[in-house]
Amino acid sequence: EVQLVESGGGLVKPGGSLRLSCAASGFIFSTYSMIWVRQAPGKGLEWVSTISRSSSYIYYADSVKGRFTISRDDSKNSLYLQMNTLRAEDTAVYYCAAKSESYSWGQGTLVTVSS
Amino acid sequence: QAVVTQEPSLTVSPGGTVTLTCGSSTGAVTSGHYPYWFQQKPGQAPRTLIYDTTNKHSWTPARFSGSLLGGKAALTLSGAQPEDEAEYYCLLTNSDGVVFGGGTKLTVL
Repeated sequence: EVQLVESGGGLVKPGGSLRLSCAASGFIFSTYSMIWVRQAPGKGLEWVSTISRSSSYIYYADSVKGRFTISRDDSKNSLYLQMNTLRAEDTAVYYCAAKSESYSWGQGTLVTVSS
Repeated sequence: QAVVTQEPSLTVSPGGTVTLTCGSSTGAVTSGHYPYWFQQKPGQAPRTLIYDTTNKHSWTPARFSGSLLGGKAALTLSGAQPEDEAEYYCLLTNSDGVVFGGGTKLTVL
């Protein structure tokens, strides 16, 4: 069974940085593409970034391009999201999801950007 | 990036049938967009109901089905139950990533 546990969320000031982690278990992590999705309070789901198997290709939403960096460490079964130059509008619950033929979701971690 | 549109809200009677749709600003939705449907209840993470247009998971109730309808992806709920009240999101895949629809708040009343 796919299990994903996000961590690293918290309160950060505008302009600050944060690194989210997603620990994967129950599946062969290296064979899955992974994505980050966020959900601002009371709002819908927003795709943030995708990383393929072997990190062959990486995509970002325009809203985070140049500020966020997705990466993975297959030896540690882990996915990461380095978030720099954070803005108030980045406040959201951040979910990681694993994709083979379908998406399996973590429970999310809350990031609050506020002074 | 494409804009993906869903009905903001729909209401269905218990036992009734309702169809949620998912359209794209770039044109007709096809199987090549690999449409997904997710259910999200308050305070919970999303859960995948339908993948690749029509495929169900083992946990997807039989009353849910996915299809292509009139140039859109569609999620049909036949025989609505009170526990189906939730937000439903579609997701489409394109050449540079994926795009979520804005979500449909489904009320069973």
